[in-house]
Amino acid sequence: AQSVTQLDSQVPVFEEAPVELRCNYSSSVSVYLFWYVQYPNQGLQLLLKYLSGSTLVESINGFEAEFNKSQTSFHLRKPSVHISDTAEYFCAVTDTGRRALTFGSGTRLQVQP
Amino acid sequence: EAQVTQNPRYLITVTGKKLTVTCSQNMNHEYMSWYRQDPGLGLRQIYYSMNVEVTDKGDVPEGYKVSRKEKRNFPLILESPSPNQTSLYFCASSLRGPQYNEQFFGPGTRLTVL
Repeated sequence: AQSVTQLDSQVPVFEEAPVELRCNYSSSVSVYLFWYVQYPNQGLQLLLKYLSGSTLVESINGFEAEFNKSQTSFHLRKPSVHISDTAEYFCAVTDTGRRALTFGSGTRLQVQP
Repeated sequence: EAQVTQNPRYLITVTGKKLTVTCSQNMNHEYMSWYRQDPGLGLRQIYYSMNVEVTDKGDVPEGYKVSRKEKRNFPLILESPSPNQTSLYFCASSLRGPQYNEQFFGPGTRLTVL
């Protein structure tokens, strides 16, 4: 069975500081990995995904995540956060044999001025 | 505008009173899914549908029913709601399965069962 662990439930950070949101997964097969973002009072939106190829993937708003197979991790990073990045971030995993995403419990990123 | 819509957005009901939460998408997506979101648990899948008349259980299907008679609609039915079904519910759709395509989420339905 697959599972996703997001170790930090909340991450407070000052504006323009770097941030890393951690995600570890467990799976016995090749995986596809995703980060979704949920802004207050909204549904989830895809931030970035790893399907294959380069292990470093980037989003259009400056986030990046690196797939590390040996450490079964897919941490999300941004070198300089903005107030507008305040949201909840969910890591998710699936594989070719499944028809569902397994989500982590979420990390609430709170960017302070 | 491409979107997933859910109705109602907010609902307060009482134990045992049957209710339906509607979900509709206008993107001709084959795959649709229902999730519930609870604090500290993230999103858990209730049911999903790969296409019309094809539905299957997710991780937490107990107490829920779904149907997929048309491609665009995927209603969630609670035949006899109980307080433990108080939650935030999201419908999502994608062109095919979630491993191939981005899932588009609706705005959510906040359900309270008294």
